[in-house]
This record gives sequence, structure tokens and C-alpha cells, in this order.
Amino acid sequence: GPKVLQIPSHQIIDMGQMVTLNCDPVSNHLYFYWYKQILGQQMEFLVNFYNGKVMEKSKLFKDQFSVERPDGSYFTLKIQPTALEDSAVYFCASSSGSGNTLYFGEGSRLIVV
Amino acid sequence: AQKVTQTQTSISVVEKTTVTMDCVYETRDSSYFLFWYKQTASGEIVFLIRQDSYKKENATVGHYSLNFQKPKSSIGLIITATQIEDSAVYFCAMRNDSGYNKLTFGKGTVLLVSP
Repeated sequence: GPKVLQIPSHQIIDMGQMVTLNCDPVSNHLYFYWYKQILGQQMEFLVNFYNGKVMEKSKLFKDQFSVERPDGSYFTLKIQPTALEDSAVYFCASSSGSGNTLYFGEGSRLIVV
Repeated sequence: AQKVTQTQTSISVVEKTTVTMDCVYETRDSSYFLFWYKQTASGEIVFLIRQDSYKKENATVGHYSLNFQKPKSSIGLIITATQIEDSAVYFCAMRNDSGYNKLTFGKGTVLLVSP
């Protein structure tokens, strides 16, 4: 099926530092998403993004989080500064339409120490 | 608020048999969409199958099918002729008809298929 690529697959970072997670969505998709999965639990919605704007975000999307997709390149999730509770796997997803099926990447495992 | 519940924590089956995984959901919306995804050992999340609430016919894709019982708010996943590589965590998810694909996931069911 359609592939969403995520870079990096793993990252260990000191608390308080900044991290950027990158996502290369499916080529003709227009809607982009980030989900967070804490070890052993279900994925939870963070944010969705369309036409250069955040359309909806959850309570998990703290003020320290930001997303952007400059000039059609990677869709990024930036956390600045990071906190211990940000340790999780972050999944990027994309869809061709707002109601169409989501396709997920393989996740970026973030460990904040 | 929406809620998705998967009561089965784990299921073990022998390959080539049929397995059913349960999922019940809560929503106030009259129109909604239900999904099943699987997460492999590597962490990859794979879309399997989808059911739109307004469709009466159960969805079928390959050896996956759904048992959609709308009055019971239930969407079971049926896997026929299971294979070793079907071993994974299976997540049920839903979204309503508004918004931008904000999925609510269940906690998942671990499926172990043995020889």
C-alpha cells in the first residue's frame, strides 16, 4: 500500500532540548497528521494539518509542540523544549482527503532522558 | 466523546483457523466510520479494512471481513485461514463524519498465530 516515511526511526535526547521529527507523506496526499503512542497503549491523536494550517489539535498537543510543512517538503513535528513525558512513539499519517483512509508511517521512537 | 473498547487483550490460535476480534464503540453521531489496523512487531501500522456506518453490507478485503452490528455498536474483525504472519496487535478505530480524520483507537488485541 501507500508508504509514509519517517525520519528518524529512533532518537534519544536530553530533557529541555529541541527535537524535530520528519515525515514524508504519500505523494498525492493533502492531509497530514501526528499521533502519539506510549509504550503498550493505543495511539492518540495529536494534530491534523491541511493547506498550511492546523485544522484540529488535541489536549496532548502542548504549547511546546509545533507542526509545519515548508514549501511542500517534510511535514515536521517540533518539540521545544522536550519533557520526560514526551517519550513515546510518534506516528505520522496522511490521507488524500479529509474523510479518506489514513496511512501511517513506521513511527519515530523518541526517548527523553 | 467517542470511545472504542476492545475487551480481548490477547488471542492465541493455530494457523489456518478463523479468529474473531471484538470491538464496541460509543458515539452520538449518526454517521461515522470504523477501521481496523494492525501493528506488526516492527511497529509498522497497516490499514486493513473499513466500514462506513451507512452501509449495511459487511466489508470484506482478502481474508479480512467485518461483522458490523449497528444496533449493538459492534464491529468485529474476522480473519479466516490465519497465517503465522497475521501475528500482530490489532486496533479498532473510529471517526465521526465531521472534522479532519481524528481517529479514536481502542487499546488493541494481541493475536498470536502458532503452527
